[in-house]
Amino acid sequence: AQSVTQLDSQVPVFEEAPVELRCNYSSSVSVYLFWYVQYPNQGLQLLLKYLSGSTLVESINGFEAEFNKSQTSFHLRKPSVHISDTAEYFCAVSALGGTSYGKLTFGQGTILTVHP
Amino acid sequence: NAGVTQTPKFQVLKTGQSMTLQCAQDMNHEYMSWYRQDPGMGLRLIHYSVGAGITDQGEVPNGYNVSRSTTEDFPLRLLSAAPSQTSVYFCASSYGGTRDEQFFGPGTRLTVL
Repeated sequence: AQSVTQLDSQVPVFEEAPVELRCNYSSSVSVYLFWYVQYPNQGLQLLLKYLSGSTLVESINGFEAEFNKSQTSFHLRKPSVHISDTAEYFCAVSALGGTSYGKLTFGQGTILTVHP
Repeated sequence: NAGVTQTPKFQVLKTGQSMTLQCAQDMNHEYMSWYRQDPGMGLRLIHYSVGAGITDQGEVPNGYNVSRSTTEDFPLRLLSAAPSQTSVYFCASSYGGTRDEQFFGPGTRLTVL
């Protein structure tokens, strides 16, 4: 089975400041890694994903995440946030095999609030 | 494409009542899933389907039933509602399985009194 831990439930930052949302996972098999974002009163949208290859993946709106296999982490970063980045962010893993094949396991979520 | 649609948006039930949450997708996706979202707990998988006629249990299946008679539709049935089922329910679909993006519906906010 897989588990995902998001180390911060809430992260308040000021506009144009950098931010890091932390995610650690546990799995007995190899996994794919995802970050989803949920804006207020909406469903989740994929922000970025790591499948293989370069351990640094980027989204179209300036977020990036780095897969660290030794530390089993997939932290999300942005060098300069905007008010519009205010949302809840979910880290998720999907197992490549075993009984959990095809199922997404989510972390608890991190609420990012960007203040002017 | 409408994507993933869910009805109703809001629902209030009394304990013991039954109801069906509807989910439909028009992307010809094989995989469909139901999640519940509770504060501080992220999303938890209730049931999922890998194709028409095939369903399986997720992490929290008790009190819920599903069926998948067509590729497009994946309804979630609450058999006898309990206050512990007060939650926001999301339906999601994806083309394949483990490596593909899941597309989420807008959610159904359910309150059980």
